[in-house]
Amino acid sequence: AQKVTQAQTEISVVEKEDVTLDCVYETRDTTYYLFWYKQPPSGELVFLIRRNSFDEQNEISGRYSWNFQKSTSSFNFTITASQVVDSAVYFCALSGKNRDDKIIFGKGTRLHILP
Amino acid sequence: DTGVSQNPRHKITKRGQNVTFRCDPISEHNRLYWYRQTLGQGPEFLTYFQNEAQLEKSRLLSDRFSAERPKGSFSTLEIQRTEQGDSAMYLCASSLQGANYEQYFGPGTRLTVT
Repeated sequence: AQKVTQAQTEISVVEKEDVTLDCVYETRDTTYYLFWYKQPPSGELVFLIRRNSFDEQNEISGRYSWNFQKSTSSFNFTITASQVVDSAVYFCALSGKNRDDKIIFGKGTRLHILP
Repeated sequence: DTGVSQNPRHKITKRGQNVTFRCDPISEHNRLYWYRQTLGQGPEFLTYFQNEAQLEKSRLLSDRFSAERPKGSFSTLEIQRTEQGDSAMYLCASSLQGANYEQYFGPGTRLTVT
């Protein structure tokens, strides 16, 4: 069975601090895809990143970075120099060998960036 | 705007009533997915279509729920005899078929059953 665990239900940090959102996944597939989505108060899911299971390179996109470690089944997300606009719920997610397979989401981490 | 659209955006209904939601995918996307998101939870997969064929249904999709995609374009999700537990955000996503394509999500329909 596939499962995504986001142990942090809610995090609050002061603006400009760095923050890391944890994600641990379970799957029996050898090929799979990992995702992060952002859900601002407006409710629409915003795609941030995907990773396939064969690509363990970390990725940086502006203030965002992702650390994929297959050995620990983790796919953590770090926001550097956080801003108030980063306040949202962030979901880690997993899909099977085809990127268009159904997506299994974690329960999300609500991030509050305090001014 | 060529994204996924959903109507209505909000629906309030009384318990026992039937409701129907519509999803218009990105044109030429042959896969269409329905997810449900309850308060404080992540989205949960309900069902998906490839063209007009419904290929998979979650156990979450009770017999009060029915989804259709009659011409392989837009889709409807109907809930009969609504219950308070059906209150949720219903999300639609679409994609092209294949390993290289992402799912794009619509804004969702928020259902409140009173």
